[in-house]
This record gives sequence, C-alpha cells and structure tokens, in this order.
Amino acid sequence: EAQVTQNPRYLITVTGKKLTVTCSQNMNHEYMSWYRQDPGLGLRQIYYSMNVEVTDKGDVPEGYKVSRKEKRNFPLILESPSPNQTSLYFCASSSGTRYNEQFFGPGTRLTVL
Amino acid sequence: AQKITQTQPGMFVQEKEAVTLDCTYDTSDPSYGLFWYKQPSSGEMIFLIYQGSYDQQNATEGRYSLNFQKARKSANLVISASQLGDSAMYFCAMREGSNQFYFGTGTSLTVIP
Repeated sequence: EAQVTQNPRYLITVTGKKLTVTCSQNMNHEYMSWYRQDPGLGLRQIYYSMNVEVTDKGDVPEGYKVSRKEKRNFPLILESPSPNQTSLYFCASSSGTRYNEQFFGPGTRLTVL
Repeated sequence: AQKITQTQPGMFVQEKEAVTLDCTYDTSDPSYGLFWYKQPSSGEMIFLIYQGSYDQQNATEGRYSLNFQKARKSANLVISASQLGDSAMYFCAMREGSNQFYFGTGTSLTVIP
C-alpha cells in the first residue's frame, strides 16, 4: 500500500530535549516536505526537499533541521525544542512531476512542556 | 502579505445544496499551482482538486470544481450536492515555481441535514 508513515504519532517532551520525528514514504517520490499545523494558522511549511541531499527552507524553518540521505526518508529534527513548537506536524511527499498529488502522513502531535 | 487568503472561517450548507468556499492568492510567479485539501475531524489531509496556472479550463473532480479567475487571483472551490460527509475543514494551497507551498487558514464547513 502506497503510504507516508510518521513516527511517533504522539509525543510529549520537555524543553531542550532533542527529538527526531521520522517520515518515510514507499512511493519513490522525489519531493518531501514538513508542515506544522496550528489553530487559526493553517499549515505552514517548515522544510522541503526536492531530492536526496537537496533541502530548502519553507516559511517557518527556525528551530528545525532536516536531512535527506535516502530518497524514502526525511526526518525532522528539533535540537532544542521549546513550548512554541507544540503543534501538529505533517510530512508529505509527491512525485517530482506531479506536485499536485501530495500524499500526507497521518500527523504527529507534539507537546513540549 | 498573505500568500493565500481564506476569508470564511466557517460556512454552513444544507444537504444536497451547492456551496462555494473562497480563496484568493498572491504571487508574482507566472507558474504556480493551486490546490484544495479536505481535513475531516479525524485529522488526515485529503487532496481534492488541482489547477495549474496555465490551465485554460477550470478543474473538476466529481462533485468538486475549482472556479479559477486568474485576473482576480481567486481559486474558489465549489462543492455540488453537499453530503453530510463533506463536513470538514477545507484548505486552499498554492505551490509557487520555487516548489514552496503555502496554505490558507482554512474554512470549516458544516453540512446541515
């Protein structure tokens, strides 16, 4: 089954404790992206990647890191999480030629205390 | 300036009636794509419809159609024959030529039996 998986689905952590949210897709997609969703703000793009070893900042990259060492994986790293990073995070992927068909993961709800 | 503006935080529609959800966008890129996504209360993001900036005809997908008015920079979603299952949040989004994505703040649609 074609899908985007994220882990963990739920995470409660404390300020300053490094964490990684994994994202993996099995569709051989070139394009992958991370978004955060906050009430009243919609989804905002954090980082995106056009292919392996190619990443670019989205609208709200501060406080986040990403890497794209393999085509299927695009982890989101919070080196020193803060309470303002409490949010719902989505990973998404699409074929490089059909960006309209962005497939979203199920979301990761992160709470930073 | 906001890249995507959705001015209707909430909308109500009678079952079987049509409803229009508004979306305006702002870009100076000649090449861009416009999208609508549905987010039910379960949280997943579901792709509905896509319109490319060079497409001459309005996009349609089943009961969904996109009213694309390029000069006015609007991309309204029309849902015909509303069903109870259409109750959800709806997000308008844009991909610019740089492949960065922007989402609106969403419209909450409630279908009344």
